[in-house]
Amino acid sequence: QKEVEQDPGPLSVPEGAIVSLNCTYSNSAFQYFMWYRQYSRKGPELLMYTYSSGNKEDGRFTAQVDKSSKYISLFIRDSQPSDSATYLCAMGGFKTIFGAGTRLFVKA
Amino acid sequence: DARVTQTPRHKVTEMGQEVTMRCQPILGHNTVFWYRQTMMQGLELLAYFRNRAPLDDSGMPKDRFSAEMPDATLATLKIQPSEPRDSAVYFCASDYAADLTDTQYFGPGTRLTVL
Repeated sequence: QKEVEQDPGPLSVPEGAIVSLNCTYSNSAFQYFMWYRQYSRKGPELLMYTYSSGNKEDGRFTAQVDKSSKYISLFIRDSQPSDSATYLCAMGGFKTIFGAGTRLFVKA
Repeated sequence: DARVTQTPRHKVTEMGQEVTMRCQPILGHNTVFWYRQTMMQGLELLAYFRNRAPLDDSGMPKDRFSAEMPDATLATLKIQPSEPRDSAVYFCASDYAADLTDTQYFGPGTRLTVL
């Protein structure tokens, strides 16, 4: 079993839809939870991070962490074609482990 | 605008040849990571250094891969001899270990094709 599980997709949605991306993890020692966005042929870039259970909002993006269930989510409101990318979750603390990434396509 | 730089951006080589990839971390960052990304395996950590000392290279095939940090501004990843299964995008990332956000900044990657 992988330490971090993430559905690779692809996920295709119409413009304006609410997108939900999720990851589960197995090691309760992880302390930081991050979402990276990776455009085609580019390196991943940090989108959001949080270190506690609950929600964190940044514009159209909301990161949600449920430590009791070992489950994290990223919600994108009013999705745009420019949001089309691969989204990787990452868990950090004693080490950083990345999920496999979910490919998202937002159709205009 | 500080960023991680990597060279070369693309490399096509033949099986058996030596490949060297270079990375310049962000000035002031003390931790450097090497990752490999493929469609099948996703992003895999190969090795990382802190203050130029190797801390973990357990993700790296030891017989053909080597990673070094000759100085604080240069990290290298070498494959000798290269094999077709090494074809992937190799990313370097850096961060500052005392930054509690644990944010890694990635370079643009080196796309390696071994024929």
